[in-house]
Amino acid sequence: NAGVTQTPKFRILKIGQSMTLQCTQDMNHNYMYWYRQDPGMGLKLIYYSVGAGITDKGEVPNGYNVSRSTTEDFPLRLELAAPSQTSVYFCASSQVETQYFGPGTRLLVL
Amino acid sequence: KNEVEQSPQNLTAQEGEFITINCSYSVGISALHWLQQHPGGGIVSLFMLSSGKKKHGRLIATINIQEKHSSLHITASHPRDSAVYICAAPRGGGADGLTFGKGTHLIIQP
Repeated sequence: NAGVTQTPKFRILKIGQSMTLQCTQDMNHNYMYWYRQDPGMGLKLIYYSVGAGITDKGEVPNGYNVSRSTTEDFPLRLELAAPSQTSVYFCASSQVETQYFGPGTRLLVL
Repeated sequence: KNEVEQSPQNLTAQEGEFITINCSYSVGISALHWLQQHPGGGIVSLFMLSSGKKKHGRLIATINIQEKHSSLHITASHPRDSAVYICAAPRGGGADGLTFGKGTHLIIQP
């Protein structure tokens, strides 16, 4: 199993540009999450999903959108990138309670 | 909303020392998570515990539900234990994600 995979690993965006961060898991987990990690801060939940077709907001959802059309994929969309979205983004999945994390996407908005 | 506090924020120790990292949370929970973030950025789950103590190799995690407090211990520390250790608690009930502490940056010097 590859576990949780994320693409891209690193991206530089200009202010106002859009992009989609991809996340795929091959463990058939129902629950998937997007977190962001800023320097000196704990990870914060952006959005989560408890199954295909069901998504909900976390602590810091503004400026992001998600969809969950399949069990495997949970893409995160940034519509109008802002410098405040410079961060490292982690996708995670779980079936019961243990969460499995992807390797992260480092995003720089200039 | 659960608040998670960790201490210390930074810890430097000599190889072989016994290490303790503390975590406290504000709201009663079903299980507490300890995670490790490697210098390269990857995050792995170490423990999930709801009562008592769990041991994995040189790592021991304990939890006191009444006091809302958990500790992570490392015995016979080694430079390869150098990492950020993160405590996390469920945001609420169900599968709606985790609230994280800011992490403890541990450096073990040879």
